Amino acid sequence: DQQVKQNSPSLSVQEGRISILNCDYTNSMFDYFLWYKKYPAEGPTFLISISSIKDKNEDGRFTVFLNKSAKHLSLHIVPSQPGDSAVYFCAASGGGATNKLIFGTGTLLAVQP
Amino acid sequence: NAGVMQNPRHLVRRRGQEARLRCSPMKGHSHVYWYRQLPEEGLKFMVYLQKENIIDESGMPKERFSAEFPKEGPSILRIQQVVRGDSAAYFCASSPGGKVYGYTFGSGTRLTVV
Repeated sequence: DQQVKQNSPSLSVQEGRISILNCDYTNSMFDYFLWYKKYPAEGPTFLISISSIKDKNEDGRFTVFLNKSAKHLSLHIVPSQPGDSAVYFCAASGGGATNKLIFGTGTLLAVQP
Repeated sequence: NAGVMQNPRHLVRRRGQEARLRCSPMKGHSHVYWYRQLPEEGLKFMVYLQKENIIDESGMPKERFSAEFPKEGPSILRIQQVVRGDSAAYFCASSPGGKVYGYTFGSGTRLTVV
């Protein structure tokens, strides 16, 4: 049962344009959402997060939007840069004692110069 | 301040051998999480440990897999009698407390079973 889904395996965007990466979840108990960026042969790097009590969080070129009623979140990157090319993972946490993360399968973003 | 250190980076084992993966958390971090990434999949939680304690092992396969985080030294993920299906990237993360926004991941160990 895939509780966190990233339905687009890949996305190609021109440099300078907006990249929009999407993520859907099924568990309404999730209370914290994170986006990670991952380069080949490296570990995931934290990018940005959002609590379920908010609907938007912004950090520089990165903005995460949360729509709780639709159980959907998205990551916007504006403007996109070639160095943003990587796999992006959406992850969710249900809190509790362990705070383990449930990851989506990732979206490979390619930013074309 | 070194990050989360995992070694080895690459490990090749024959079927039936044992694999030992090590993770040294960031300085000051006492919480360690292990995740596994199978080909074409996202990361899957395996186990959460604090010093000398296993807090949550709900993601660990029932057999052949074990983990420890001793009072001194790195956390160890041990896989006995490896099979081809164990081939994956294994990532360790550490945090100063049990909060997900404090996670820092290591670069992973890529296990290949031949």
